[in-house]
Amino acid sequence: NAGVMQNPRHLVRRRGQEARLRCSPMKGHSHVYWYRQLPEEGLKFMVYLQKENIIDESGMPKERFSAEFPKEGPSILRIQQVVRGDSAAYFCASSPRSPPRDAQTQYFGPGTRLLVL
Amino acid sequence: KQEVTQIPAALSVPEGENLVLNCSFTDSAIYNLQWFRQDPGKGLTSLLLIQSSQREQTSGRLNASLDKSSGRSTLYIAASQPGDSATYLCAYQGAQKLVFGQGTRLTINP
Repeated sequence: NAGVMQNPRHLVRRRGQEARLRCSPMKGHSHVYWYRQLPEEGLKFMVYLQKENIIDESGMPKERFSAEFPKEGPSILRIQQVVRGDSAAYFCASSPRSPPRDAQTQYFGPGTRLLVL
Repeated sequence: KQEVTQIPAALSVPEGENLVLNCSFTDSAIYNLQWFRQDPGKGLTSLLLIQSSQREQTSGRLNASLDKSSGRSTLYIAASQPGDSATYLCAYQGAQKLVFGQGTRLTINP
């Protein structure tokens, strides 16, 4: 059973370009979470999605950032007109059911390291 | 504001020592608390998960405790090994998300 897949693992963009980060959840998982880790900091929640629905986007910056999780295919985190402050590691996690029933773990992918030049 | 604080931020000890990592949190309405390990450039590995109704969990040389009333958790590592070198993150589960501390960077010296 493959784990959570993220691609690309490393992404370099120049200021003003768009960044698209992909996340394929574990098989059987229909809930996806995106977290951002700035240098020397812990992970910060960005958004929680179920298939075709955004459940909680309270951690998403108001501008330039969007996320989707279509019925078919991976979840996408899209950053438009990137700036140097967007440089970070972006982690995706998946879970099989809506929290907080059970003490289930969110399963994390390896992350995408975004570098904005 | 939901906050998680981990102390110390960094720790370097010789191999074989027993050590304790500390985590404190401000939100009393947590569902569970987890300890993760993060290796440089890698993702997160879940080490231990303590449900809100539990006091501790053990896995091998690791033991994690939870005191909800005081908002504290500790991770105890026995007989440390160089392979334990990593960043250790504590996180609690709120309603929809995990709230993370900034981590403790642990170095075990041979």
